[in-house]
Amino acid sequence: NAGVTQTPKFQVLKTGQSMTLQCAQDMNHEYMSWYRQDPGMGLRLIHYSVGAGITDQGEVPNGYNVSRSTTEDFPLRLLSAAPSQTSVYFCASSYAGADEQFFGPGTRLTVL
Amino acid sequence: EDKVVQSPLSLVVHEGDTVTLNCSYEVTNFRSLLWYKQEKKAPTFLFMLTSSGIEKKSGRLSSILDKKELFSILNITATQTGDSAVYLCAVATGGSEKLVFGKGTKLTVNP
Repeated sequence: NAGVTQTPKFQVLKTGQSMTLQCAQDMNHEYMSWYRQDPGMGLRLIHYSVGAGITDQGEVPNGYNVSRSTTEDFPLRLLSAAPSQTSVYFCASSYAGADEQFFGPGTRLTVL
Repeated sequence: EDKVVQSPLSLVVHEGDTVTLNCSYEVTNFRSLLWYKQEKKAPTFLFMLTSSGIEKKSGRLSSILDKKELFSILNITATQTGDSAVYLCAVATGGSEKLVFGKGTKLTVNP
């Protein structure tokens, strides 16, 4: 099993550009989520999904979109990148009702 | 609003020292508390605690939960340089898989 995979590992964008961060898991987990991690801020939940076709907002959803068309994939879209979105982004997944989440390796995003 | 507070935010010790990391929480409908270790990449799972007073142990690491006083501690004995990391505390609340994270404690173990 590859676990939770994320691409790309690093990305530099200019203000106003759009892009999609990819997340996939091969553990047949129902729950998937996106976090951002900024220095001194811990992990903050952006969006999450409890299954294919179902998504909801987390603590800091503004500027991000998600969709969940399959159990395996949960992409995160930045519609118009801003410098405030410079961060490290982690995708995580778990079985429904389970508390332990498994994390991907992260994507380091810089917006100039 | 659910809240998880970790202390201290950073800690520098020498190899062989024992450290105690703290995590307090204020959440509605507590379900479990989790500890993760984060080196330079993704957080990796250490412990999950659901019941008060029952210690979880893994080698030199141990953790205990006090549901009455709403806190948990993570102990690391005989620290090694490989223990240097950010330790994250998270709480799961009933009815949802969402986790609420604290800001983390950055532990540095010097040789």
